[in-house]
Amino acid sequence: EIVLTQSPGTLSLSPGERATLSCRASLTVSSSYLAWYQQKPGQAPRLLISGASSRATGIPDRFSGSGSGTDFTLTISRLEPEDFAVYYCQQYGSSPPTFGQGTQVEIK
Amino acid sequence: QVQLQESGPGLVKPSETLSLTCTVSGGSITSYFWSWIRQPPGKGLEWIGYIYYSGTTNYNPSLKSRVTISVDTSKNQFSLNLSSVTAADTAVYYCARGVSVAADWGQGTLVTVSS
Repeated sequence: EIVLTQSPGTLSLSPGERATLSCRASLTVSSSYLAWYQQKPGQAPRLLISGASSRATGIPDRFSGSGSGTDFTLTISRLEPEDFAVYYCQQYGSSPPTFGQGTQVEIK
Repeated sequence: QVQLQESGPGLVKPSETLSLTCTVSGGSITSYFWSWIRQPPGKGLEWIGYIYYSGTTNYNPSLKSRVTISVDTSKNQFSLNLSSVTAADTAVYYCARGVSVAADWGQGTLVTVSS
């Protein structure tokens, strides 16, 4: 199975700053079948991005995804207070779908 | 946007079978694929498997020998059975819409395996 490694483990930033989250795959993710989710404490994850760069319905355009092959990035252009959360990447090009271990974006 | 709601026992004894049901509202279960995903306390996410209304399933190989996912179209529900549970199966269990990308999620239900 494909192992996803997210970095950094924790990102400490202030509101208004730019956040750059990395997701590296152990094997090529076919057809850029990579998704990003946001999870807040006590809540279910929420789909942000699929197909590496396509925002899900209702997701603000400050969230953007990029990358291909084995290296993918989630960028939050200007952090809003509600963006402080844990972010997971997931590959679904190879079965079984697998998730990264998560990056926590915390308030500095 | 469909809504999903998990239900089932919150406590299961070791070696027994964990059984959960997901009720779908706001849409027909025949329109999409449906998945189960779990998250041990304080840890990351693990995809368990998916089902289509026709009964087609696919399971995570790491759990395949113990997992059964089924669907009841008359009730707009799908279910998860996980047999021979141990403490390592303690987790929040989520049902979700989607075959691999989970577009909509239930709120999750914590299942603790303990005697």
